[in-house]
Amino acid sequence: GDSVTQMEGPVTLSEEAFLTINCTYTATGYPSLFWYVQYPGEGLQLLLKATKADDKGSNKGFEATYRKETTSFHLEKGSVQVSDSAVYFCALHSGYSTLTFGKGTMLLVSP
Amino acid sequence: EAGVAQSPRYKIIEKRQSVAFWCNPISGHATLYWYQQILGQGPKLLIQFQNNGVVDDSQLPKDRFSAERLKGVDSTLKIQPAKLEDSAVYLCASSLETNTEAFFGQGTRLTVV
Repeated sequence: GDSVTQMEGPVTLSEEAFLTINCTYTATGYPSLFWYVQYPGEGLQLLLKATKADDKGSNKGFEATYRKETTSFHLEKGSVQVSDSAVYFCALHSGYSTLTFGKGTMLLVSP
Repeated sequence: EAGVAQSPRYKIIEKRQSVAFWCNPISGHATLYWYQQILGQGPKLLIQFQNNGVVDDSQLPKDRFSAERLKGVDSTLKIQPAKLEDSAVYLCASSLETNTEAFFGQGTRLTVV
C-alpha cells in the first residue's frame, strides 16, 4: 500500500537558518504530493502541493520538488522564522485513494 | 468563506462511556472525511463520505465506532464504548470532490481516562 516516511523531529533551528525536512514515499501509479502544516492548537492547513514529476510547489517561502526518480518530496525554506514553528506533514494522494500522511516532523525555531 | 467547523474542541470521558463528535463541512463540499490523529503520528483515515454515502470505512473499528452523514451535509462520529487507546484528536475534513484539496477543521481532542 501507499506510505510516506518523514525524518523524525524535533528539528531545532535558529531564526534565519536553512530548513530541510526529508520526505520519501511509496505509491502505486503517479501520486500527487502535499505538505501540510499544523500550528499549535489549529487544524491542518495545506502548505503546498505538486501533482506530477519535476513540479515544484511553493508557498510562504517554502518549496518542495516532486522527484520521481528518488521518490522524494523534501521541504525546504531558505530562512526560517519563529512563526514557522509547527508540525509539518508530508502526504500523498494516488488515484482514488484518500490522503496518506507521514508521522509529522515538529519544527522549533528559536529567536 | 467559512471553514470546516467541529465541536466540541475538547472532551474528557471515562472508559466504557460513549461520546459523539459533530462536523459541519464547507458549504457545497460533497466529500467528507473523519481522521484519527494519535499523539506523535500522522492522521489516519477512519471514514470517507461522498454526499451521504460511505466510500471507504475500511479502517473504522466498527464494533465501537459509527458515523453518519444525514442529508449529505453535517456528520457525526460516535464511539461506544470508548477505550483508553481512543485518546486522540479527531479531525474532520471536506473537499469539493474526492480528488480535490481537503480542508481540515480544528479537531476534537478526546481524552479517555
